[in-house]
Amino acid sequence: TQLLEQSPQFLSIQEGENLTVYCNSSSVFSSLQWYRQEPGEGPVLLVTVVTGGEVKKLKRLTFQFGDARKDSSLHITAAQPGDTGLYLCAGAPHGRDNNNDMRFGAGTRLTVKP
Amino acid sequence: DAEITQSPRHKITETGRQVTLACHQTWNHNNMFWYRQDLGHGLRLIHYSYGVQDTNKGEVSDGYSVSRSNTEDLPLTLESAASSQTSVYFCASSENSYTEAFFGQGTRLTVV
Repeated sequence: TQLLEQSPQFLSIQEGENLTVYCNSSSVFSSLQWYRQEPGEGPVLLVTVVTGGEVKKLKRLTFQFGDARKDSSLHITAAQPGDTGLYLCAGAPHGRDNNNDMRFGAGTRLTVKP
Repeated sequence: DAEITQSPRHKITETGRQVTLACHQTWNHNNMFWYRQDLGHGLRLIHYSYGVQDTNKGEVSDGYSVSRSNTEDLPLTLESAASSQTSVYFCASSENSYTEAFFGQGTRLTVV
């Protein structure tokens, strides 16, 4: 069982549609990060959410951190083919002696068809 | 510009051989990480380091080792390569767990 569970695992939609992907855990996180990874490349950071209930917007992407800091969501409005990629959430569980123990979810693989 | 580089990008090795994957960063970050990425598992943490002479085991550390003799480098060694270690390996560095982790481009390792 992964510390961070992401859903759905795969998502295929048409250009212009909206979508939401989720990142859930039973653990509390000091912060969560969302990354996007393209084939043959390493992940690249999109956003970090720190405060419970926080909402951050990055153009058509809206990120929310749950009030209890155990979950997060990524909503994309009017998806475009350029949004295609693997979306990963990551975080270091709060309260561990080692707060640099960054863990990743398995990711949501998004395909946006033109 | 600061960067993080991995080498080689691709490697094929035989079962039982020792293999070392290189990771070099010029961000001057104290934290460095090694992950493996397999379909359905995402990125799994192998080893990580807070700084020079510090190393820690991650969730899938068996069969792997690292050493940190300077800030810039964290080589990953597979002591006796096994087919189960066929994977894509990513190195990353960060200032701390709340800031961005910068990733290398990955090393695709095949153990035959």
